[in-house]
Amino acid sequence: GAGVSQTPSNKVTEKGKYVELRCDPISGHTALYWYRQSLGQGPEFLIYFQGTGAADDSGLPNDRFFAVRPEGSVSTLKIQRTERGDSAVYLCASSLNPGATDTQYFGPGTRLTVL
Amino acid sequence: AQSVTQLGSHVSVSEGALVLLRCNYSSSVPPYLFWYVQYPNQGLQLLLKYTSAATLVKGINGFEAEFKKSETSFHLTKPSAHMSDAAEYFCAVSQASNQFYFGTGTSLTVIP
Repeated sequence: GAGVSQTPSNKVTEKGKYVELRCDPISGHTALYWYRQSLGQGPEFLIYFQGTGAADDSGLPNDRFFAVRPEGSVSTLKIQRTERGDSAVYLCASSLNPGATDTQYFGPGTRLTVL
Repeated sequence: AQSVTQLGSHVSVSEGALVLLRCNYSSSVPPYLFWYVQYPNQGLQLLLKYTSAATLVKGINGFEAEFKKSETSFHLTKPSAHMSDAAEYFCAVSQASNQFYFGTGTSLTVIP
């Protein structure tokens, strides 16, 4: 079956612009996670959804970052007033159930470059 | 607080040789531990996970890892490296909060 997909695969924007990154999880997966991976680093947790609600958004770095999952499926990560430091690969993952031991299935990521 | 340390950002082995990738964790409570592999231009894929059952965990592609509480380690091994094993490997830890903490990764090169 289809895995987790993310669009776009690459996004180049200018400092100060607004961007939206989309994640399509595996059908039927109730939990959805966003991570940020900077060069040479491991994925860093941003936010976790259980259904439509953000169960834990403690990893969002500041109020320029926001994510939604209005129908409990597709999620969008929104970044306002982008800064050069936001440049990274943004990863999305989904799992069937929202458990700490549940296998997370990752998408290929969106590479964001802020000029 | 939880954290994961992966010793060695780059590891090179000869084809057919033992693969050993090191992971140490710090956690105030018994953790759940994972190893993920990332091939170029692909998403992270789960290799194996420890969830408080057997301490020796077998995963896909011939990999296994042993949870050693006394050493706070969860090293990944494979008896015989294959060219297709060349990739980036990440160790991760989680607890009941559902937050996952990843290490900085180890890039494995397999020399023919």
